[in-house]
Amino acid sequence: QKEVEQNSGPLSVPEGAIASLNCTYSDRGSQSFFWYRQYSGKSPELIMSIYSNGDKEDGRFTAQLNKASQYVSLLIRDSQPSDSATYLCAVGGGSNYKLTFGKGTLLTVNP
Amino acid sequence: GAGVSQSPSNKVTEKGKDVELRCDPISGHTALYWYRQRLGQGLEFLIYFQGNSAPDKSGLPSDRFSAERTGESVSTLTIQRTQQEDSAVYLCASSLVQGALGNTIYFGEGSWLTVV
Repeated sequence: QKEVEQNSGPLSVPEGAIASLNCTYSDRGSQSFFWYRQYSGKSPELIMSIYSNGDKEDGRFTAQLNKASQYVSLLIRDSQPSDSATYLCAVGGGSNYKLTFGKGTLLTVNP
Repeated sequence: GAGVSQSPSNKVTEKGKDVELRCDPISGHTALYWYRQRLGQGLEFLIYFQGNSAPDKSGLPSDRFSAERTGESVSTLTIQRTQQEDSAVYLCASSLVQGALGNTIYFGEGSWLTVV
């Protein structure tokens, strides 16, 4: 059974701070990793994808992947109240292409 | 269409009735997923279709749940004899599978089901 675990939260940070979201996965053959953002009452939307070890930056977002440790993280710099949402980690690839989601971490950015 | 389309967007049904939820994936996407999300909870995998392969039904919670997909087009999720615990938003997603990578999935807006 493939598992994806996220820090349960909720996570609360002040505006302007760095928010750090973490995710571990059980399937060592996983090859694709995604972060989705979900606002309350809305469907998930993709914000970052990463496939190789190291960091990937996109604006205020940085995804970090360490396949040896089976760990992927998302850093949000200069957090804004509009970043307040649930962040979902998803893992896929390997023996099949199905994505497995974590349960999500609720982030609140306080003005 | 441009995105994943789901219908109905909202459905209120009486306990014991059957419901059918529809998903129209992004054109050309070979993979299609159904997830369930109860209020305040995470995504719960239900079923996965990939091309003409046998679907992965490992997430269906009971035999009251079934889903079909014709080729690489529309899928329907059917819940028979609905129970109050079936109340949730049912999310459909699709992806263009490109080998082991690139299987970014895109979600529809969901079908909100309330069983009274």
